Amino acid sequence: KAGVTQTPRYLIKTRGQQVTLSCSPISGHRSVSWYQQTPGQGLQFLFEYFSETQRNKGNFPGRFSGRQFSNSRSEMNVSTLELGDSALYLCASSSGTDFPNGYTFGSGTRLTVV
Amino acid sequence: GEDVEQSLFLSVREGDSSVINCTYTDSSSTYLYWYKQEPGAGLQLLTYIFSNMDMKQDQRLTVLLNKKDKHLSLRIADTQTGDSAIYFCAESTYNNNDMRFGAGTRLTVKP
Repeated sequence: KAGVTQTPRYLIKTRGQQVTLSCSPISGHRSVSWYQQTPGQGLQFLFEYFSETQRNKGNFPGRFSGRQFSNSRSEMNVSTLELGDSALYLCASSSGTDFPNGYTFGSGTRLTVV
Repeated sequence: GEDVEQSLFLSVREGDSSVINCTYTDSSSTYLYWYKQEPGAGLQLLTYIFSNMDMKQDQRLTVLLNKKDKHLSLRIADTQTGDSAIYFCAESTYNNNDMRFGAGTRLTVKP
């Protein structure tokens, strides 16, 4: 059974640019959650998508957005990048209906903003 | 907001037991989790416990929960060098995938 796949693994962007990250969940999982991990703030919840709808949202500015497709794959977009957006972005998939189910995390996309 | 706190570092000798502690503040927490993160990897779910339990054992792992004090611990018996990693405590409420994580405890196992 394939795990959670995040692409790309590494990205370097310039301030002011925008970026799109992709996450393919485990087959059959309908929930995809996104987290930002930084040394200073730790793991912070961005948002969760379930069946193409945003179900939960963390306290991030509107520059951070996401979407989910009918095949449950999810994308996260960050516009007008700032230096502080440099982080490891982790995607986690779960069934979304069975609690607790815990997450299965991908290996993350490391974004560096210069 | 609600917080999950952990000590940042723990160092033990191979073969000893490791105990990683965590405290949380949300009294409505229903599920408590332990995750492990190795360098360059995502987080791996180790175990979880319901808030109405006080102990759960899974091979070398023992989770203890003191709900009154909102204190969670993870004991790793016979710690091995392969257990060196960052361990995250996390909590969530019922029917909610919004999990709150601690800052992580970096466990170093010395041979």
